[in-house]
Amino acid sequence: DAKTTQPNSMESNEEEPVHLPCNHSTISGTDYIHWYRQLPSQGPEYVIHGLTSNVNNRMASLAIAEDRKSSTLILHRATLRDAAVYYCILRDVDQGGKLIFGQGTELSVKP
Amino acid sequence: DTGVSQDPRHKITKRGQNVTFRCDPISEHNRLYWYRQTLGQGPEFLTYFQNEAQLEKSRLLSDRFSAERPKGSFSTLEIQRTEQGDSAMYLCASSDPGRLYNEQFFGPGTRLTVL
Repeated sequence: DAKTTQPNSMESNEEEPVHLPCNHSTISGTDYIHWYRQLPSQGPEYVIHGLTSNVNNRMASLAIAEDRKSSTLILHRATLRDAAVYYCILRDVDQGGKLIFGQGTELSVKP
Repeated sequence: DTGVSQDPRHKITKRGQNVTFRCDPISEHNRLYWYRQTLGQGPEFLTYFQNEAQLEKSRLLSDRFSAERPKGSFSTLEIQRTEQGDSAMYLCASSDPGRLYNEQFFGPGTRLTVL
C-alpha cells in the first residue's frame, strides 16, 4: 500500500487559513488522494478527494502538486470546530476502496 | 449523524468472554467496512463486504474474529475469547460504489474495554 507522510501536529488561529501538507512520493497512477478528518470522540468523516487537478468543495480545497507527489489541504478560515485529526490517504479504487490511514495531523485551533 | 449506527456504543468485558457488535449501514449502501482504532493511532482496516459477500480480510483479523453480513444489510463483528489487546474502538463504515465521490460514511464506533 502506498504511504503518506504528514506532520504530527499543527496549530492555527481561529479565522485564519490553514495549510495541511501531505507527501506521497510513491503514489501510483491509479491512486486518488483522499482526506478525512476525525473530530474528538467521533468516527472519521470525508473531507475531499482528487486525482490530478485542484478541487474545491464547501469544506475545503485540495491543491495537488503537478508531479502528484505531494498535496495540501486548505481550510480557508479555521473555526474551533475544525480542531481534529486530518488524514491524507491514497486510495486505489481497484482494491475494494478500503482506506489505509496513517497517523494523521492533529490540528488545534486557538481562539 | 452520518446515518450509520453501531450498537453498543460501549462494551466492557472480562478477558476470555465473547462479544458481538452490530453495524447498520446507510440502507442503499452495498459496501460495508470494519476498522479498528487504538488510542493515538489511525483506524486500521479489518474487513469489508460487498452485499453479503466478504471480499477481503486483513491479516489483523485473527481466527478469533468473525464478521458476517447475512442479508447484505446489517453486519456483526464477533470476537471470541477476548484478550486485553483487543481493547479498541471498532468502527463501521458504508459506501455506495456507484456514487460519484464514493466516500465512506463512518458510524460513531463501539468502544471495547477488555479487563
